[in-house]
Amino acid sequence: DTEVTQTPKHLVMGMTNKKSLKCEQHMGHRAMYWYKQKAKKPPELMFVYSYEKLSINESVPSRFSPECPNSSLLNLHLHALQPEDSALYLCASSQDLLPGLPHGYTFGSGTRLTVV
Amino acid sequence: AQTVTQSQPEMSVQEAETVTLSCTYDTSENNYYLFWYKQPPSRQMILVIRQEAYKQQNATENRFSVNFQKAAKSFSLKISDSQLGDTAMYFCAFMKLSGDYNDMRFGAGTRLTVKP
Repeated sequence: DTEVTQTPKHLVMGMTNKKSLKCEQHMGHRAMYWYKQKAKKPPELMFVYSYEKLSINESVPSRFSPECPNSSLLNLHLHALQPEDSALYLCASSQDLLPGLPHGYTFGSGTRLTVV
Repeated sequence: AQTVTQSQPEMSVQEAETVTLSCTYDTSENNYYLFWYKQPPSRQMILVIRQEAYKQQNATENRFSVNFQKAAKSFSLKISDSQLGDTAMYFCAFMKLSGDYNDMRFGAGTRLTVKP
């Protein structure tokens, strides 16, 4: 299995809703990432988990809450979002750091989130 | 902080011709990696080619090659024999190795259209 699987592919939610995005990989990667991508813009890093511990939180509002229950699974819990949070949310994973052997990231296909 | 600049928001090329996408970056690191990712309308980020900064030889992957100029901090992508399936958004990315995870940052992207 060489894929990162994201569910759902599309999500429409109201500003008072609570929802979760899910990301799963079975490649043995120990680092997992959440990116936010607005239309016609590059992905922007939100969170990094390394060995199931939060390593980076790029000043993301608390209405986004990441969770890494195990080494294969990464969730992003959403609560009280704003319309400007509408975007494509990409998950990625990468191997352990091996000198000379970075392969970049393996990305999922993303969740298209619309907040109404 | 590392910055990645792609100065061409949009480009077009005729099928079977060659096109070059430009990318420059700014860093004080000496050991790092550079990537080109492709994002077609399907949204998935697909790794096109990668380059290790410590290698002087330019990377090549079939029709895709790079011109890596470390002193000039330039990393351009050449696509030969362009195909309709090459139509996509292309992102240049810089990665530094940091502890247990890989810190990757993207340029703003170049939208490439291959015309029949």
